[in-house]
This record gives sequence, C-alpha cells and structure tokens, in this order.
Amino acid sequence: DAGVIQSPRHEVTEMGQEVTLRCKPISGHDYLFWYRQTMMRGLELLIYFNNNVPIDDSGMPEDRFSAKMPNASFSTLKIQPSEPRDSAVYFCASSFPGVVDTQYFGPGTRLTVL
Amino acid sequence: GEDVEQSLFLSVREGDSSVINCTYTDSSSTYLYWYKQEPGAGLQLLTYIFSNMDMKQDQRLTVLLNKKDKHLSLRIADTQTGDSAIYFCAESIRGKLIFGQGTELSVKP
Repeated sequence: DAGVIQSPRHEVTEMGQEVTLRCKPISGHDYLFWYRQTMMRGLELLIYFNNNVPIDDSGMPEDRFSAKMPNASFSTLKIQPSEPRDSAVYFCASSFPGVVDTQYFGPGTRLTVL
Repeated sequence: GEDVEQSLFLSVREGDSSVINCTYTDSSSTYLYWYKQEPGAGLQLLTYIFSNMDMKQDQRLTVLLNKKDKHLSLRIADTQTGDSAIYFCAESIRGKLIFGQGTELSVKP
C-alpha cells in the first residue's frame, strides 16, 4: 500500500510568495492532519480534518495560513504571503476510521523561505 | 496543561539496551505512542500501548507504562546502528496527539 504522499518534498521560495503544499492521505483514512516541525518549537499540530471537514484549526499560526480538503484523497496547506519564519518541515498524517489517534505520517515537505 | 517531556539525547554502544523515558500529564489518554524519525524522513509509528496495559513487547521493543506516575518508557534490546534516530513519545488527548520534544538516540559501534 502507498503511504501518505506529500509534494513537493522540498520548496525554496522568496519572502512574500505564495506556497502551496499538497497531501494525499492513505486510501480509506478519514482523518487528515497537518503538522509543522522546527528545531525551536518541535512538532506542532496546525489543523486536522475528519471526512474532509476541518475540526480543529487552533494551531494555525495566523491568517496567512489556510488549509483545504476538497475530497477524501487530497488536501492543501497554503501560506500567503510566506515569511522566513515559516521555514520548517511540514508533515501530513492520516489515520484509520474510528481510530483517530493512530496516525501515519508522510515524508514531509521541507520549506525554506528566503 | 498538556505536556509531554523527554530527555533530549541518549548515547549507547551497539549491542547494549537503550531505554528512552517520557512523562506525560493527561491521565485520560487512551493510547500512548512511540514514533521514530530518521534523518530527512517523516515519523514512523513504532508501537503503542493502551492505557490499561502495563507492558507491551514487540520483538526488540518493550514499552512500559506506569499510569500512576504518568511515565512511559521504550526499551530497545540489542541496539543496532540502524536504530540511531529521534524517538518521540505522544499521548492522545481528545483526538489529537501531543508529542514530546524527541530523544535523539546515538548508537556507537
């Protein structure tokens, strides 16, 4: 089975540009999570969806960040405009129906904002 | 509040046992988890334990849970250089995983 797929794996952009990160969860999983990992703050949950509906976005840092899940097999995390402090590794994870806690992670997108 | 604490570094010799410790705060957590992260990779689910269990063994891995002290540990027997990675413990709270800072395990030949 394919695991969680994320693209791109690496993204380098300039401050002020729009960045879109993509995620394809494991087929059949109905929870999807977006995390951000930095040295200073560790692993932070940004937002999660259940059946394509956002459930908790309290971790989204500010209005520059938005996330969508138009269908069960695709989600995006957008940053507009991007800032250097957004540089981090962004992970997407998905989990089984009814077993929300057991999450499977994608390989991550390493974002560098210059 | 929600908090998971781990020591940041552990260094062992190849063939020794490694014990990584974790403390958590929420006694209502249903499951507690151990994840492994190798350099440049995502987090890989290693094992988990249900909160009503004291111990779970899975090949070289042994998880011990002391619910009274809110203490979780991961023991890796016969540690190999391929076990070098960052290990995260996590507790589940209301559908979310709260992760510790991660323990970097260094295995010396």
